[in-house]
Amino acid sequence: DQQVKQNSPSLSVQEGRISILNCDYTNSMFDYFLWYKKYPAEGPTFLISISSIKDKNEDGRFTVFLNKSAKHLSLHIVPSQPGDSAVYFCAALNRIRGYQKVTFGTGTKLQVIP
Amino acid sequence: SAVISQKPSRDICQRGTSLTIQCQVDSQVTMMFWYRQQPGQSLTLIATANQGSEATYESGFVIDKFPISRPNLTFSTLTVSNMSPEDSSIYLCSAPLNANTQYFGPGTRLTVL
Repeated sequence: DQQVKQNSPSLSVQEGRISILNCDYTNSMFDYFLWYKKYPAEGPTFLISISSIKDKNEDGRFTVFLNKSAKHLSLHIVPSQPGDSAVYFCAALNRIRGYQKVTFGTGTKLQVIP
Repeated sequence: SAVISQKPSRDICQRGTSLTIQCQVDSQVTMMFWYRQQPGQSLTLIATANQGSEATYESGFVIDKFPISRPNLTFSTLTVSNMSPEDSSIYLCSAPLNANTQYFGPGTRLTVL
């Protein structure tokens, strides 16, 4: 049962344009949604999060949008830069018996073309 | 944000042997987590390591195969026991360094021959 889904395994975008990475989830009990960036041979790096009670959070070039009725969130990167090329994981956090549990999507590989 | 380190960064092991992976956090945390990322796959939670109690394992993972230690609030180990090639993965530890986010170590890339 894949509770967090990223249906696009890869995405290519021209430098300077907007990258939009999408994520769908099934569990309405998630408290927070997180985006991580992962380079090969490194651990995931936290990028940005959004509370389940918000619909938008912005941090520099990164904006996350949450549509709770559709159980959908997206990460917008604008303008995209070649250094943004990495695998992006969507993740959802809920608390079970007082501790965090984070469920990850399958990842989207972003390639930003110079 | 705090730093999480792991040792070793990578290893190549023979079938049937065991490997212990260490994770160090530079601040005290109640919970630490161990994940596995198999080739081309997402991150899967193996277990939650709570200081002072037994680890809690996710479905499909058992203590005999993945024993975990949590001797203090900054350190944990994961052992991959009686390894087979199917255990070849990246193993990652993480810690919730604030209430709503987990931060990850750099990972241990394990290859089992």
